[in-house]
Amino acid sequence: AQTVTQSQPEMSVQEAETVTLSCTYDTSESDYYLFWYKQPPSRQMILVIRQEAYKQQNATENRFSVNFQKAAKSFSLKISDSQLGDAAMYFCAYRSSNTGNQFYFGTGTSLTVIP
Amino acid sequence: AAGVIQSPRHLIKEKRETATLKCYPIPRHDTVYWYQQGPGQDPQFLISFYEKMQSDKGSIPDRFSAQQFSDYHSELNMSSLELGDSALYFCASSYVDLSYEQYFGPGTRLTVT
Repeated sequence: AQTVTQSQPEMSVQEAETVTLSCTYDTSESDYYLFWYKQPPSRQMILVIRQEAYKQQNATENRFSVNFQKAAKSFSLKISDSQLGDAAMYFCAYRSSNTGNQFYFGTGTSLTVIP
Repeated sequence: AAGVIQSPRHLIKEKRETATLKCYPIPRHDTVYWYQQGPGQDPQFLISFYEKMQSDKGSIPDRFSAQQFSDYHSELNMSSLELGDSALYFCASSYVDLSYEQYFGPGTRLTVT
């Protein structure tokens, strides 16, 4: 099974500043998808951003962008101009395009935004 | 836009009892996934269904079973409940042409006492 590692259990950022959350994964596949999900205190899982492995261009969604390094199997999330509403648990997730369609999640990074 | 619906949102059961969780996918979505998220843990995949057939199986205990019905809703049946089954159970759905993306429901919080 694929493994997803988030080495930062907790992170904090000052409001309006930028923060980067790390994620690495282990796979032997060449085609797959990567995601960042946000889980606020409501526990709802909210898709933040996704990246197709075959795309070289890093995905961007407003203040959220990723740094996808396929060779290094790294998929970090950058949050710019952090807002109080960004405070949440962030999960990195991997999905194969071939063998099954389940998500493999990392253990999460708890992000605190300091006013 | 319509989202994934899960019911009930909260459920309290005693040990050895049975629980049934329901999931209603987004209209036109044909694939349903079940995940279990224990306290302070990441979601763990349990099982998925595509077009009413089991498509993938994860760490689902033998005490649990699930199915997808003709209207594409799914039910997760949990028997002989144990204290360790207390968790948030997510259902997610997707449409095969957009199968790389899963939309999550709000979850059912199950507490076993």
